[in-house]
Amino acid sequence: DIQMTQSPSSLSASVGDRVTITCRTGQSISSYLNWYQQKPGKAPKLLIYTTSNLEGGVPSRFSGSGSGTDFSLTISSLQPEDFATYYCQQSYIPPWTFGHGTKVEIK
Amino acid sequence: EVQLVESGGGLVKPGGALRLACAASGFTFSSYAMNWVRQTPGKGLEWVSSINFSSGFIYYADSVKGRFTISRDNAKNSLYLQMNSLRVEDTAVYFCARGKTAAGTYDYWGQGTLVTVSS
Repeated sequence: DIQMTQSPSSLSASVGDRVTITCRTGQSISSYLNWYQQKPGKAPKLLIYTTSNLEGGVPSRFSGSGSGTDFSLTISSLQPEDFATYYCQQSYIPPWTFGHGTKVEIK
Repeated sequence: EVQLVESGGGLVKPGGALRLACAASGFTFSSYAMNWVRQTPGKGLEWVSSINFSSGFIYYADSVKGRFTISRDNAKNSLYLQMNSLRVEDTAVYFCARGKTAAGTYDYWGQGTLVTVSS
């Protein structure tokens, strides 16, 4: 199975801050990396697929980059509705595995 | 509007069985792969099983292989997960999720149904 390592596991930030979350995979997955946002009590929501493609309706302040084994999700200017937990996930080969999440909290 | 509504969760003893269902609406169900993903506080998000649009390709996580069976009824716009020989470690919220065009990517999720395996 492909191991997914997200960092940090949590962070505190203020509205307007630029936030970057990283995801490292145990082997190369080309660009098959997705990012999801989850709020408490809700299902995950697809934000970005295949590294950098923004899902429909997702604000442009979200962006993704990387390739191979190192990827990142950036929120250019954190908004109140962005406080949530973010997960990376590889869609390269089954079993499709997720990172353990990064909780973005209000400073 | 795409909607996925799971049902069938509950409390069951170890070794017992449950059948989850996912009712889909707002899209052409028969054109999409469908998936089950579960979530626990300890292990996080874990892919469980996938089925392609025609039921011709089915995949399982090793942790459930031989115990769980995924199926779909395109005439009823429904996805199912038959869970047998349940273990304590199967306790989780189970989500059904629609597959985006790329395998292993989930673009719409249901609200989840809680399965608790406990004596």
